[in-house]
Amino acid sequence: GQQVQQSPTSLVLQEGENAELQCNFSTSLNSMQWFYQRPGGSLISVFYNPSGTKQSGRLTSTTVIKERRSSLHISSSQITDSGTYLCAMEPPSGSWQLIFGSGTQLTVMP
Amino acid sequence: NAGVIQTPRHKVTGKGQEATLWCEPISGHSAVFWYRQTIVQGLEFLTYFRNQAPIDDSGMPKERFSAQMPNQSHSTLKIQSTQPQDSAVYLCASSQGGQGGNERLFFGHGTKLSVL
Repeated sequence: GQQVQQSPTSLVLQEGENAELQCNFSTSLNSMQWFYQRPGGSLISVFYNPSGTKQSGRLTSTTVIKERRSSLHISSSQITDSGTYLCAMEPPSGSWQLIFGSGTQLTVMP
Repeated sequence: NAGVIQTPRHKVTGKGQEATLWCEPISGHSAVFWYRQTIVQGLEFLTYFRNQAPIDDSGMPKERFSAQMPNQSHSTLKIQSTQPQDSAVYLCASSQGGQGGNERLFFGHGTKLSVL
């Protein structure tokens, strides 16, 4: 089965609304990361190795490694927040590879 | 800092031809990763170098795919006898290389490979 489950698959918001994205891991993990990707664009690291709650501007990550879950909260969404948000985990095997979820496609409407 | 540079941005090959994809990591980064992205499979790990040495190629198809890092400034991914199922965006990433998944990964824009 999938080791990284993201929900929702897609999300449509009105500008100014908040978004809550979830990431759950079916196995133990060393660490995890959140990425953002525009259509046709590269992946941009949003949070890496987060534990507990971390904030960067309007983005807040809440991660509990022991419970194998992480959430990404986007407050006061803007049209430019539209894109795909991906979470990824590093398994405890020590290989450094990241296992990605399928992503949440966020669309913010004016 | 130009970021991770990948060339070409797009490559079209005929079935059975060879494709070579290039990656220039961020200067000073010792870890280089290759991933492949498709709509169906999402992002898949291919291979990883640290200080130019191949560390983990467990994601590489055993036939037709090979990766090298001849010097610290570039890595190549070569696909021999390309097949339509190889069509994907191939992403290269680098990191400072000290702490595995606990450090920020910087991705290039990718090379979109289309095999006709």
